[in-house]
Amino acid sequence: KQEVTQIPAALSVPEGENLVLNCSFTDSAIYNLQWFRQDPGKGLTSLLLIQSSQREQTSGRLNASLDKSSGRSTLYIAASQPGDSATYLCAVLYSGGGADGLTFGKGTHLIIQP
Amino acid sequence: DAGVIQSPRHEVTEMGQEVTLRCKPISGHNSLFWYRQTMMRGLELLIYFNNNVPIDDSGMPEDRFSAKMPNASFSTLKIQPSEPRDSAVYFCASSSQRSGGQYFGPGTRLTVT
Repeated sequence: KQEVTQIPAALSVPEGENLVLNCSFTDSAIYNLQWFRQDPGKGLTSLLLIQSSQREQTSGRLNASLDKSSGRSTLYIAASQPGDSATYLCAVLYSGGGADGLTFGKGTHLIIQP
Repeated sequence: DAGVIQSPRHEVTEMGQEVTLRCKPISGHNSLFWYRQTMMRGLELLIYFNNNVPIDDSGMPEDRFSAKMPNASFSTLKIQPSEPRDSAVYFCASSSQRSGGQYFGPGTRLTVT
């Protein structure tokens, strides 16, 4: 069974710090990997999508990397702001035929202290 | 452009009642997914459709759950009869192609008492 693990489960840092969220997956046969943000009581907002052939994607202060061989992805947030406080979810789309559903990690709950 | 639309946003019902959740995918997207989120299990895929055809329903927990997609712009997830353990947030997502990522609706928070 494919599994996606996110570490740490929770993180609290002062405003302005750079931080890294980690995601690992057990099966390297992935199609792509997607990072989402979820605010309390809200839906999922897609942040970055990395195809299996790519090494990283950037959007503003966010940078996501992918290392398929080691089964890892990281989400780097530069110059964190209180508005970045949310739960960040990593999700993997595996390459298996017909398997189009995402497999999610449990998320990292991030708090940025003003 | 409108994103994925789900209704209702909140549903409170009594055990044994029928519950119907609704989803309108993003126009032009040909794949639609139903997920369930709980504190214990996180987000899990229930079922997905491609071009209105159910492809994988292995995540549907029991026969009490059923899903339909009568056309490209509408899907329903029905629970009959509902039980307290069905309480969760149910998300609908859509995509246009595998490489394009999935886009999620705001979810329906279901509480079964």
